[in-house]
Amino acid sequence: KQEVTQIPAALSVPEGENLVLNCSFTDSAIYNLQWFRQDPGKGLTSLLLIQSSQREQTSGRLNASLDKSSGRSTLYIAASQPGDSATYLCAVRATGNQFYFGTGTSLTVIP
Amino acid sequence: DTAVSQTPKYLVTQMGNDKSIKCEQNLGHDTMYWYKQDSKKFLKIMFSYNNKELIINETVPNRFSPKSPDKAHLNLHINSLELGDSAVYFCASSLPPGLDTPDTQYFGPGTRLTVL
Repeated sequence: KQEVTQIPAALSVPEGENLVLNCSFTDSAIYNLQWFRQDPGKGLTSLLLIQSSQREQTSGRLNASLDKSSGRSTLYIAASQPGDSATYLCAVRATGNQFYFGTGTSLTVIP
Repeated sequence: DTAVSQTPKYLVTQMGNDKSIKCEQNLGHDTMYWYKQDSKKFLKIMFSYNNKELIINETVPNRFSPKSPDKAHLNLHINSLELGDSAVYFCASSLPPGLDTPDTQYFGPGTRLTVL
């Protein structure tokens, strides 16, 4: 069964720093991997989706990479801002049309 | 315009009651999902409907029954509510799953269910 792990569980950085969030999955047979942002008391907002055939996706200050063979993905956030404070979740779409979510990384960017 | 909407946003009810949560999407997607997020913020898929047909049914109690009157709506009915059902329930929609389909999921704002 697919298991998705995110490290660290919580992260606190000063404004302006670059940071990396990690996501690992146990079964490399995935269709795609998606990074989400969740603000307190809110739903999830999709940030980036990487298909299994792709290595990375970029959107603004965000860059997500995918290494399927090693079962890892990273979300790189450049020049962090207080508005980036949220919980970041990764999810893999596996065979059988199943979706598996990680437990998230709670990010706090200190002004 | 709201892409995926859920009602109600909050639901507080007594144990043993039956309740429903409604979800609607105006994105023209064929696939809709229900997720449960527990107190530890862990998201787990419960159901998925593709064009009104159930395609995933995770091992959830049969007290939970999804109903899709059309592809824009996926409602969740819960019978005989239990304390452990307290959680946030999220509805989502996407394009149909396919090998290279950009099936980005769009989530609703969630329904916080509290069972007393």
